[in-house]
Amino acid sequence: ETGVTQSPTHLIKTRGQQVTLRCSSQSGHNTVSWYQQALGQGPQFIFQYYREEENGRGNFPPRFSGLQFPNYSSELNVNALELDDSALYLCASSFLGNSGNTIYFGEGSWLTVV
Amino acid sequence: AQSVTQLDSHVSVSEGTPVLLRCNYSSSYSPSLFWYVQHPNKGLQLLLKYTSAATLVKGINGFEAEFKKSETSFHLTKPSAHMSDAAEYFCVVSVWGGGNKLTFGTGTQLKVEL
Repeated sequence: ETGVTQSPTHLIKTRGQQVTLRCSSQSGHNTVSWYQQALGQGPQFIFQYYREEENGRGNFPPRFSGLQFPNYSSELNVNALELDDSALYLCASSFLGNSGNTIYFGEGSWLTVV
Repeated sequence: AQSVTQLDSHVSVSEGTPVLLRCNYSSSYSPSLFWYVQHPNKGLQLLLKYTSAATLVKGINGFEAEFKKSETSFHLTKPSAHMSDAAEYFCVVSVWGGGNKLTFGTGTQLKVEL
């Protein structure tokens, strides 16, 4: 049990639609990161939020956006969905302050785009 | 820039025999290194982490890894494999000052046979 919960666990969307994925972090964690894991691959860093501001971004287009809220929840929004967006989306929660802080992952949201 | 290379995409062992999953890293700065395990249709679970303390790191479920700076390696071992160890294993690197951003390897699928 990592204390990080994600919703929904599974969803199916149509190409061109928009999707919002949600994450509830551990209490006290000031940092949330989102990762995309395509089938058969390792997770890829999408972006990170620190104290409600974007704090680093991977190689993903602007149609991937996010929000972090003061109550330790966060969202990943994807606009204009493409078939290649089908993947497991993982939320990771941590406290950014010292090196090597443990990062806790949720179980992910499986997105299928048809 | 930081990266990890997992040298084997698939490893197959017999139950009760040793496990060795190989990982090499590349980092411009002192890295933090992790091993995560992912069981089918599940999220990521932290097995162990290295953060510049002892070079031999012990983790959960009998796994351990040794940080070897001269070889830029962080191989994962277990003396005796169990059927429940069958899963995907990811070697991960993070750099202090990199904001807890994780860079994942491509994964090693461990198969345990009777």
